[in-house]
Amino acid sequence: AQTVTQSQPEMSVQEAETVTLSCTYDTSENNYYLFWYKQPPSRQMILVIRQEAYKQQNATENRFSVNFQKAAKSFSLKISDSQLGDTAMYFCAFMGSGGSNYKLTFGKGTLLTVNP
Amino acid sequence: GAVVSQHPSWVICKSGTSVKIECRSLDFQATTMFWYRQFPKKSLMLMATSNEGSKATYEQGVEKDKFLINHASLTLSTLTVTSAHPEDSSFYICSARSGPLNTGELFFGEGSRLTVL
Repeated sequence: AQTVTQSQPEMSVQEAETVTLSCTYDTSENNYYLFWYKQPPSRQMILVIRQEAYKQQNATENRFSVNFQKAAKSFSLKISDSQLGDTAMYFCAFMGSGGSNYKLTFGKGTLLTVNP
Repeated sequence: GAVVSQHPSWVICKSGTSVKIECRSLDFQATTMFWYRQFPKKSLMLMATSNEGSKATYEQGVEKDKFLINHASLTLSTLTVTSAHPEDSSFYICSARSGPLNTGELFFGEGSRLTVL
């Protein structure tokens, strides 16, 4: 079974600074997908960024980028120029690519607080 | 992006009663929907995978007779918590996939907070 580990339960960052959230995972599959989801307080989960394991290039979405290290099974999220609206719970998630594995396995989450 | 809506957003019920939560994909058809349970400041735990027109697939440890899932159409899945007890109090979230299984994005509902007295 796949596992996803987020070792930072809580983090804080000053507005406009950069913060990196860590995520490691364990799988025996070679092809899979990784995601970062954001869950703002009292609001629904939204997708921040996704990465296909077969792509070597790190995914980037505006201020959000990932550092995907396949051999190390590491998938960290970097948020640049942090904004107050980035305050949320961030979940790293894994999805396998075959059979019944099209379901997400989530990490325990990292609560990010952006301070003014 | 696609929209997934849950109803009700919160519900309080007495112990022993049943509660139904609806999950609708508003602007796309979802052959597969997922139901999660989230405890305070915890991760989402997948309860079951709901496939339109067939029986739901439950994760290990989830009582299928306790948590009834029905996916009667391509835009609606329901979760019924039967004979609810205080330990069933939780935040229940559904999600629906738009597009192919391997590349379609997953969209989440707003969640339904259940409190059993």
